[in-house]
Amino acid sequence: DTEVTQTPKHLVMGMTNKKSLKCEQHMGHRAMYWYKQKAKKPPELMFVYSYEKLSINESVPSRFSPECPNSSLLNLHLHALQPEDSALYLCASSQGTGSYGYTFGSGTRLTVV
Amino acid sequence: GENVEQHPSTLSVQEGDSAVIKCTYSDSASNYFPWYKQELGKGPQLIIDIRSNVGEKKDQRIAVTLNKTAKHFSLHITETQPEDSAVYFCAASRSSGGSYIPTFGRGTSLIVHP
Repeated sequence: DTEVTQTPKHLVMGMTNKKSLKCEQHMGHRAMYWYKQKAKKPPELMFVYSYEKLSINESVPSRFSPECPNSSLLNLHLHALQPEDSALYLCASSQGTGSYGYTFGSGTRLTVV
Repeated sequence: GENVEQHPSTLSVQEGDSAVIKCTYSDSASNYFPWYKQELGKGPQLIIDIRSNVGEKKDQRIAVTLNKTAKHFSLHITETQPEDSAVYFCAASRSSGGSYIPTFGRGTSLIVHP
């Protein structure tokens, strides 16, 4: 299995809702990442998990809460989002946090109404 | 921090032509340079990468060159096909606290006309 699987593919949520994005990989990768991508822009790093521990938080607002239950799963919990948070949320994994390329999932297209 | 400039922002070619995308970086400590292809509705896909101890790398129709002195690297696609149409991102990475986090260029939209 050489894929990163993200669910759901699309999500529409109100500003008072709580929802979660899920990411799964079975490549034995020990680093996992959340990125946010706006239209026609490069991905922006949000969080890095290394060996299931949060190693980097790029000053992301607390309405985004990451969780890594085990080495294969990564969640992003969403609460009280704003319309400007609408974007494509990408999960990625890599063998480690060294100089390795990333395997990205196809993303969750999030719309906040 | 690292700054990566990528040009052109849009590149339109005829099928069979070659395409070249160029990137420059600012941090001389960067030593890993991946390239990603993002098709519509999909996540970025790693297509080729190069490390600073290598000047050129090829994989079938794609090649990457690196000039460390000038701090620039380029992606070359030969015999382009319509399925090469996508947005291409270059990136430069260096070790920071034990992690290599890429700084992405702004992307190049490649359009290959049949």
